[in-house]
Amino acid sequence: SAVISQKPSRDICQRGTSLTIQCQVDSQVTMMFWYRQQPGQSLTLIATANQGSEATYESGFVIDKFPISRPNLTFSTLTVSNMSPEDSSIYLCSVALFVGAEKLFFGSGTQLSVL
Amino acid sequence: QKEVEQDPGPLSVPEGAIVSLNCTYSNSAFQYFMWYRQYSRKGPELLMYTYSSGNKEDGRFTAQVDKSSKYISLFIRDSQPSDSATYLCAMSVGETSGSRLTFGEGTQLTVNP
Repeated sequence: SAVISQKPSRDICQRGTSLTIQCQVDSQVTMMFWYRQQPGQSLTLIATANQGSEATYESGFVIDKFPISRPNLTFSTLTVSNMSPEDSSIYLCSVALFVGAEKLFFGSGTQLSVL
Repeated sequence: QKEVEQDPGPLSVPEGAIVSLNCTYSNSAFQYFMWYRQYSRKGPELLMYTYSSGNKEDGRFTAQVDKSSKYISLFIRDSQPSDSATYLCAMSVGETSGSRLTFGEGTQLTVNP
């Protein structure tokens, strides 16, 4: 598997501000994914980020709210823009790796609280 | 109706017990089935990965898939306090690069010493 580092691990932010979450992988990967995990709910895919192309967003998520960068094969950022308390959640970076079969591995997550 | 339903828990068992965690699903096209373990304030960790129906064993963990009943299970034998975590089932139609994973909501397990 790979080491997936995510920063920050947690943050408390004010309403109306933005936070950028960084994800660094120790090997080159084609596909990186950003998930949201709200309390008591299942993981929800926000978007898929491929290097060299625009991110693909899932229904209910838009680029203006969650802009994503993917400058190279080992790094991605997710920005949560103009935050409201409803954005309080865990945000997870993940990558697809072939380990016997193609599997999804996760970073340690960013716990975001918006006041 | 949700595509994947997971026994909500929470579940509390004594050390050494056999634990059964379960998910049902409605999409008969699901072919790949996973169990993730998530410790508090950590990301999900892939525990078991199976393709199609059958059993897979890894140490104290056994994953079971019954596609005819649309039912998957994770069994933990001789449970330990270190097994205390939230367990998430996940499944997909195809492999990860071309197919979205659908997750259950998780079952919180506590193993008491």
